[in-house]
Amino acid sequence: KQEVTQIPAALSVPEGENLVLNCSFTDSAIYNLQWFRQDPGKGLTSLLLIQSSQREQTSGRLNASLDKSSGRSTLYIAASQPGDSATYLCAVTPNDYKLSFGAGTTVTVRA
Amino acid sequence: DAGVTQSPTHLIKTRGQHVTLRCSPISGHKSVSWYQQVLGQGPQFIFQYYEKEERGRGNFPDRFSARQFPNYSSELNVNALLLGDSALYLCASSSTRVTSYNEQFFGPGTRLTVL
Repeated sequence: KQEVTQIPAALSVPEGENLVLNCSFTDSAIYNLQWFRQDPGKGLTSLLLIQSSQREQTSGRLNASLDKSSGRSTLYIAASQPGDSATYLCAVTPNDYKLSFGAGTTVTVRA
Repeated sequence: DAGVTQSPTHLIKTRGQHVTLRCSPISGHKSVSWYQQVLGQGPQFIFQYYEKEERGRGNFPDRFSARQFPNYSSELNVNALLLGDSALYLCASSSTRVTSYNEQFFGPGTRLTVL
């Protein structure tokens, strides 16, 4: 059974600091890994998708890396802003049809 | 283009009642999945439908059922509601079956409260 873990559960940083969010998974047999953002009580917004054959993916201030062999992914957010405050979830697609999610890291960026 | 839409936004029911939640995928998407998110946890997979057929079911009791219509919209039904069914129910759509480049897009969710 695929287990996805995100540590830490919560993170508070001053504005301008770079954010580093970690995700680990137990089974390396995945199709892809996706990072999502969730604002309180809202749905999920897809940030980045990394295919299993890729090592990293970038979009604006966001960069995500994937090391399948070690079962790890890291999401970097450069020069954080108060608007980046949210919960960030990672999810892997195992060799079937569903996403397996971590519990998320709740980020607070202090102005 | 419209994203994934869900209705209703919020719902309050009492124990033992039945509820129907609705989802419309992004235009052109043929796959719809349902997830349950309890406060403080990551979403848990309930069902996936592709081309109107059930492709997968998560570890949920038979009180949960779903279907997909010819226009690819979907309904999630929950019978005999329990207090523990209180959660945010999320719908996701994608254009194809599972592939390495298959990105899932989520709707805003339906907040169900069972009293």
